[in-house]
Amino acid sequence: GAVVSQHPSWVICKSGTSVKIECRSLDFQATTMFWYRQFPKQSLMLMATSNEGSKATYEQGVEKDKFLINHASLTLSTLTVTSAHPEDSSFYICSALDRGYGYTFGSGTRLTVV
Amino acid sequence: QKEVEQNSGPLSVPEGAIASLNCTYSDRVSQSFFWYRQYSGKSPELIMSIYSNGDKEDGRFTAQLNKASQYVSLLIRDSQPSDSATYLCAVYSNTGKLIFGQGTTLQVKP
Repeated sequence: GAVVSQHPSWVICKSGTSVKIECRSLDFQATTMFWYRQFPKQSLMLMATSNEGSKATYEQGVEKDKFLINHASLTLSTLTVTSAHPEDSSFYICSALDRGYGYTFGSGTRLTVV
Repeated sequence: QKEVEQNSGPLSVPEGAIASLNCTYSDRVSQSFFWYRQYSGKSPELIMSIYSNGDKEDGRFTAQLNKASQYVSLLIRDSQPSDSATYLCAVYSNTGKLIFGQGTTLQVKP
């Protein structure tokens, strides 16, 4: 089946620093990947749609200059949280669409900003 | 009105009972519907997808879709304690996005 690898699974960083999260489709090519954020006891909120070879599409209220998305290849999308602050602490999950298996999620990244 | 609505629960059922999870959606033209299970601290895993009106069964799980009522449900037969998790209803919107409900927490008590 379709497998999406997300790395790292957890990260702790200091306030003001940047953190990069990687999302890879291992056995299929993903022209489109999605980035979600989930706060405790809340549902997944779509942050942005990552398109291979073009700019990402951000949801309303998501700062594109703070959450940098790069989708340079058909198997890799990255999300960089720039100048992270404690309120950015959350569970970040990527997803990729495989035509045969539908949406597959990465294992998620727990970000804690101290 | 939220695009996808679920009762947050918790829904508590005894072991062996049927758990019934419900979801309504607002976009009448939606065609694809999904149920995901999410354990605490983990990412969602797909349980069922359904695209046509009626029932779709897979093992102990049955998804039901009624497009006229904009309603999709998930039944879990012979509920087990390991089924205790948050169940997320998701709808593929006509904008090409997968929109999630807030999730229903299910507790199966031994």
